Amino acid sequence: SQQGEEDPQALSIQEGENATMNCSYKTSINNLQWYRQNSGRGLVHLILIRSNEREKHSGRLRVTLDTSKKSSSLLITASRAADTASYFCATDAQGFQKLVFGTGTRLLVSP
Amino acid sequence: GAVVSQHPSWVICKSGTSVKIECRSLDFQATTMFWYRQFPKQSLMLMATSNEGSKATYEQGVEKDKFLINHASLTLSTLTVTSAHPEDSSFYICSVGQVQETQYFGPGTRLLVL
Repeated sequence: SQQGEEDPQALSIQEGENATMNCSYKTSINNLQWYRQNSGRGLVHLILIRSNEREKHSGRLRVTLDTSKKSSSLLITASRAADTASYFCATDAQGFQKLVFGTGTRLLVSP
Repeated sequence: GAVVSQHPSWVICKSGTSVKIECRSLDFQATTMFWYRQFPKQSLMLMATSNEGSKATYEQGVEKDKFLINHASLTLSTLTVTSAHPEDSSFYICSVGQVQETQYFGPGTRLLVL
């Protein structure tokens, strides 16, 4: 399977704390994306990082990419209860016209 | 970004019936749409790539005769689950966009087959 893996599978923190999620993948990629999914809803795009980039920021989000280790991390700073959701990484493997999603991290932020 | 809608948002049907799910790209001309299936607490698995005006490309293990895809226009793709069975109960999500760029997802359709 090409599917990537994320860890932790579940993460529970308090509001104001930082949340870090990790994603590992298996093949060479063009880019890596992070998506968020609220329970029972569609996915919302958070950030895209290209294979020649090492770090990217968007508001309270910080994404890193290490292509030598085939891994990425998503950091959410100063978390809020509204950040409670599942977070997925997705990669487009070189030579394949499709996205492959990771297993996801379920984040719970308690007030 | 693109706005994508799905209809219906949820459907309950009896085993053996067929169910059609629509995916509409409201402000984006989509030559390609993607159909995913998601089981509870699991990730999205790509079922097929829907190509406007031509046959869909199915992923390994997905039965093309069971999951019929029609992409007749740049704004509409339909997924028909034929002779649905309880094991087909799942959350079906479509998306539009280029693979190397942002994907825009519909809100999903929850299918329950009794």
